[in-house]
Amino acid sequence: EAGVTQFPSHSVIEKGQTVTLRCDPISGHDNLYWYRRVMGKEIKFLLHFVKESKQDESGMPNNRFLAERTGGTYSTLKVQPAELEDSGVYFCASSQTGQAKNIQYFGAGTRLSVL
Amino acid sequence: GQSLEQPSEVTAVEGAIVQMNCTYQTSGFYGLSWYQQHDGGAPTFLSYNALDGLEETGRFSSFLSRSDSYGYLLLQELQMKDSASYFCAVENQGGKLIFGQGTELSVKP
Repeated sequence: EAGVTQFPSHSVIEKGQTVTLRCDPISGHDNLYWYRRVMGKEIKFLLHFVKESKQDESGMPNNRFLAERTGGTYSTLKVQPAELEDSGVYFCASSQTGQAKNIQYFGAGTRLSVL
Repeated sequence: GQSLEQPSEVTAVEGAIVQMNCTYQTSGFYGLSWYQQHDGGAPTFLSYNALDGLEETGRFSSFLSRSDSYGYLLLQELQMKDSASYFCAVENQGGKLIFGQGTELSVKP
């Protein structure tokens, strides 16, 4: 069974440009989460999808970030326009609904550098 | 605010036992998880406690005391491959995780 995959693994862009990150969750996982780790800080929650619906987007930093999960399968996270403080590692995680233990399966992340 | 505190670094020798602590202060609590992350890799689930007490999975054990807002991860028979970062995370409403900053474990020969 394939795990959570994220693309690209690295992205280097200039301030003001647009970047789109992609996450493919484990097949059959309804829950999809986006997290971010900025240098030296903890991993922080961004938002949560249940199938194609945004369940909680309380962690999204501002309206330069747009997440979608059309069809309830893969998800994209677009940053437009990117700012220097957006640099960090963006993780995606997926989980099944109704499990006794909240086990989230993480991708290896996308390392974003904004110059 | 919501916060989790973990020691930043721990060093131990092969074959030893190490305990990594986590204290938390959060507005909601459904459970405490532990994740392991090797350099550049994906965080990997290790253990989960929803109720007080000890959970054991092979060489890994995790403990939770909800009254003390405290938990720990215990690793036994340390191996070199256990060198990694270990994160505790509180599960909040909807399943979102609130992470600590992580403890970097170095295992020496």
